Amino acid sequence: GNSVTQMEGPVTLSEEAFLTINCTYTATGYPSLFWYVQYPGEGLQLLLKATKADDKGSNKGFEATYRKETTSFHLEKGSVQVSDSAVYFCALTGGSYIPTFGRGTSLIVHP
Amino acid sequence: KAGVTQTPRYLIKTRGQQVTLSCSPISGHRSVSWYQQTPGQGLQFLFEYFSETQRNKGNFPGRFSGRQFSNSRSEMNVSTLELGDSALYLCASSPSDRLNEKLFFGSGTQLSVL
Repeated sequence: GNSVTQMEGPVTLSEEAFLTINCTYTATGYPSLFWYVQYPGEGLQLLLKATKADDKGSNKGFEATYRKETTSFHLEKGSVQVSDSAVYFCALTGGSYIPTFGRGTSLIVHP
Repeated sequence: KAGVTQTPRYLIKTRGQQVTLSCSPISGHRSVSWYQQTPGQGLQFLFEYFSETQRNKGNFPGRFSGRQFSNSRSEMNVSTLELGDSALYLCASSPSDRLNEKLFFGSGTQLSVL
């Protein structure tokens, strides 16, 4: 079956530091890949997505590139802010109607 | 346009009771899916409905059930509650059945089983 593996958190950074959250996946066929963000007390919100190999999703300074050769979709941001503190989920859909999520990575940004 | 609405926001139940959670999707969205979120297991898929039909079901016991109404609103029911059912239950809607569509999540129902 499909699976998503994310780096374990928490990831703790100072403001303006560079962020990378690793995500790798296992899936049959050609899945679509997503990053969702969850702020405290809220549901998940879509951050960005990519639907085919070599696509780059981007939003609010965050980027991720769909790498089929390494089955990865790492999330990056050049300069994080305190307001980016949240839990980030990598997810995929493909081959079935069941979205598969990683376990989430908590990001804590200090001023 | 209103977002996905889940009610109630918080619930406290005791073991052995049953509970019904409600989800109103974004207007026009026909797909509704449910997830259980816990610190230990992360986000796990429960089931998904499209046009009142359950299309997929996750690996949960039969105590977990759901349904979707003609207006796309959905309910999930958990019978004979166990302590391990304590979790945040999230509902998400999607405008179509295409696999690459994003999901729109509600804020969830926090269920505590005592």
